[in-house]
Amino acid sequence: GAVVSQHPSWVICKSGTSVKIECRSLDFQATTMFWYRQFPKQSLMLMATSNEGSKATYEQGVEKDKFLINHASLTLSTLTVTSAHPEDSSFYICSGTSGNNEQFFGPGTRLTVL
Amino acid sequence: GNSVTQMEGPVTLSEEAFLTINCTYTATGYPSLFWYVQYPGEGLQLLLKATKADDKGSNKGFEATYRKETTSFHLEKGSVQVSDSAVYFCALKGVTGGGNKLTFGTGTQLKVEL
Repeated sequence: GAVVSQHPSWVICKSGTSVKIECRSLDFQATTMFWYRQFPKQSLMLMATSNEGSKATYEQGVEKDKFLINHASLTLSTLTVTSAHPEDSSFYICSGTSGNNEQFFGPGTRLTVL
Repeated sequence: GNSVTQMEGPVTLSEEAFLTINCTYTATGYPSLFWYVQYPGEGLQLLLKATKADDKGSNKGFEATYRKETTSFHLEKGSVQVSDSAVYFCALKGVTGGGNKLTFGTGTQLKVEL
């Protein structure tokens, strides 16, 4: 299957700082990318859907000003957690959709906010 | 709304044992159903899928049958191997809007021992 990478794989930051996570589709063009959040022993919760060149669509309860999503190209989407707080600590996973609509997932980014 | 319930883990089996991971769902209409697998340090990979009632998805010795009458999509394998150790996620994609959005279960960790 197609490959999606995420960078960094883990990050630790201080409360109040911003953190950017990159999601890249390495061998296909992802017209749509999804961002998920996963808490320990819980399911993946969809945060937002982004189409290349358009504003992201956020799920109910997700603060769009806190979780900034940019999908400027068909191979790159970024998630920026602004003014991070300890409750934002989580595992963030992205996925990209190719022409056949199957989602290909990245390996995830572990964020720890101190 | 849509929801997926799967059995809690971890499930620990000896090599060559029979595997069943239960998954039930709640959705309107006829959603598509999926099993994803996540090996340590990697992203989620599509294992198998079924798009209509009574369909059987199969891959790598794993099988799951779409049972509309019991709203279930249980994952089975006749003889597990150590290399099958991973986290397994059941998921659905609804038919009432939402595009390619997936709803996931909480994941079931499988450990296979020699």
